[in-house]
Amino acid sequence: TQLLEQSPQFLSIQEGENLTVYCNSSSVFSSLQWYRQEPGEGPVLLVTVVTGGEVKKLKRLTFQFGDARKDSSLHITAAQPGDTGLYLCAGVEGYSTLTFGKGTMLLVSP
Amino acid sequence: EAGVAQSPRYKIIEKRQSVAFWCNPISGHATLYWYQQILGQGPKLLIQFQNNGVVDDSQLPKDRFSAERLKGVDSTLKIQPAKLEDSAVYLCASRPPGTGNTGELFFGEGSRLTVL
Repeated sequence: TQLLEQSPQFLSIQEGENLTVYCNSSSVFSSLQWYRQEPGEGPVLLVTVVTGGEVKKLKRLTFQFGDARKDSSLHITAAQPGDTGLYLCAGVEGYSTLTFGKGTMLLVSP
Repeated sequence: EAGVAQSPRYKIIEKRQSVAFWCNPISGHATLYWYQQILGQGPKLLIQFQNNGVVDDSQLPKDRFSAERLKGVDSTLKIQPAKLEDSAVYLCASRPPGTGNTGELFFGEGSRLTVL
């Protein structure tokens, strides 16, 4: 069973700051997804990465998939209060079902 | 397009009672998932259906949890009898056809269960 470790568990920053959150595993993933979950809502997909070394950008968010497909990072530039939420990484190993990490709770204060 | 519908949104019961949650996925989505999300943790898969067949229920506590999707559309998750540690949000998700394991999961808002 794959285990995804996310760090940090909690991050509190001021509006305008940059931040990076990490997702690591000892397993090799065929694909990895990042979701954001706001309080009282279900997770919503941000991005899917499938190729080692892949970098994807979504406005102020930059996602990177490690060369060995065992880790990923999410970088947010100039964070805004609307970025507040729980950021979850989720990986697929081979033909297995999607497994989620515990998430990073981000709080951006005005 | 309507999203994944779940009910009830909130449920409070005493331990040893039973509870049932309902999910209606997005129309045309053959794959349906039930996840359990305990406060402060990520979602944990309980069961995956493909149409009305079970694909993966390896993490479903079968002595107390059951789920069905009889007509391959909506689904029900039941807990009987409930324990204190079952307090969590129960999320239902569905996936569009033809997207494989890398496809996006569409989640409902969840059903929050509190067991006293």
